[in-house]
Amino acid sequence: GQQLNQSPQSMFIQEGEDVSMNCTSSSIFNTWLWYKQDPGEGPVLLIALYKAGELTSNGRLTAQFGITRKDSFLNISASIPSDVGIYFCAGITTSGTYKYIFGTGTRLKVLA
Amino acid sequence: EPEVTQTPSHQVTQMGQEVILRCVPISNHLYFYWYRQILGQKVEFLVSFYNNEISEKSEIFDDQFSVERPDGSNFTLKIRSTKLEDSAMYFCASSENWGQPQHFGDGTRLSIL
Repeated sequence: GQQLNQSPQSMFIQEGEDVSMNCTSSSIFNTWLWYKQDPGEGPVLLIALYKAGELTSNGRLTAQFGITRKDSFLNISASIPSDVGIYFCAGITTSGTYKYIFGTGTRLKVLA
Repeated sequence: EPEVTQTPSHQVTQMGQEVILRCVPISNHLYFYWYRQILGQKVEFLVSFYNNEISEKSEIFDDQFSVERPDGSNFTLKIRSTKLEDSAMYFCASSENWGQPQHFGDGTRLSIL
């Protein structure tokens, strides 16, 4: 079935550093989304991308919808301690049936 | 900002018992979903629901599972005879329309003893 592979699986960074993570698939998606999940809470939508090549920012976060429609990346600039959490990408595909698929997650830890 | 709410936050149940998890989706949203997340793993799709019927379900959503919209605001997930492996976080989500981003509740932690 369709899978979204995220990398890296986990990362430890110093406060103030920039972070980059990506999500890849062998399948094409119509929409890419990035969520953040804090412990014990549900995923919170950070950014939604609707067109190939689209680059969208939300504060210190920037995400891009890959040209091939098979990948996306998320950058966090000048990380702060509250950036800690698990970041999930999700893709929506509407070819055939509607599917909403989550990536494997990137666990981010920020060292003060 | 409107949000999806789920109750209870934590449910402990004996194996073999029935459990009902409750959700109140965002009021103007038309599509509703349930997901499962086993501890430390990714979020897995269970079922989507639109216009009072299931629109899609995954292989996880077997005959032990059912969903219902009993009134104009609640959306429930029932597990008929729970198994140990049903222990997980269960998230409800809703979206304004088909293909739109989904907004998640904070989940119900289900513990099967």
